[in-house]
Amino acid sequence: GAGVSQSPRYKVTKRGQDVALRCDPISGHVSLYWYRQALGQGPEFLTYFNYEAQQDKSGLPNDRFSAERPEGSISTLTIQRTEQRDSAMYRCASSPTDYYGYTFGSGTRLTVV
Amino acid sequence: GQQVMQIPQYQHVQEGEDFTTYCNSSTTLSNIQWYKQRPGGHPVFLIQLVKSGEVKKQKRLTFQFGEAKKNSSLHITATQTTDVGTYFCAYKAAGNKLTFGGGTRVLVKP
Repeated sequence: GAGVSQSPRYKVTKRGQDVALRCDPISGHVSLYWYRQALGQGPEFLTYFNYEAQQDKSGLPNDRFSAERPEGSISTLTIQRTEQRDSAMYRCASSPTDYYGYTFGSGTRLTVV
Repeated sequence: GQQVMQIPQYQHVQEGEDFTTYCNSSTTLSNIQWYKQRPGGHPVFLIQLVKSGEVKKQKRLTFQFGEAKKNSSLHITATQTTDVGTYFCAYKAAGNKLTFGGGTRVLVKP
């Protein structure tokens, strides 16, 4: 597609439920990144992929968070047993290779109630 | 660990005036990127600087990378209401992880 597409745009879930956030990067972009952004703050790194390989997951807060990109295109960020502190804007970005600037999607606003 | 500080945190500017925002690091950076995020929007890539003393211009925006590669600045001339938003600097450490600063939120008074 023309840009990075994220779905859903908004997700409200009950505490303890699992959620899956989807990212469809720009076609042909090798690198895909997940960030979390709290209101009024800069994006916080979670994890990134080159093709289907997860290169760095050091930013994932704990083992309830996981991500995959099985075919080197669409990626899913999964949060298990959600907690209220997981509420945030989750942003996906992609780039042609490691060298270039990132193109961000519009994000998924997650609210855990 | 390595991090960047952006100052000021907030910048109130009269329309038509110039201003500069700064991104400072305590250690040498291999590169610096700048992004702009409009209110309610997502970060949009503006520029990447990699060379010591590098200066790049985009219309009314001038980006500079310090000689020691420990700081960077963004200067905007003749501020317009379209310049409203938060400007983030970001750097890549080893392993390609892009780390963002806290941003400078720019408000323009017409």
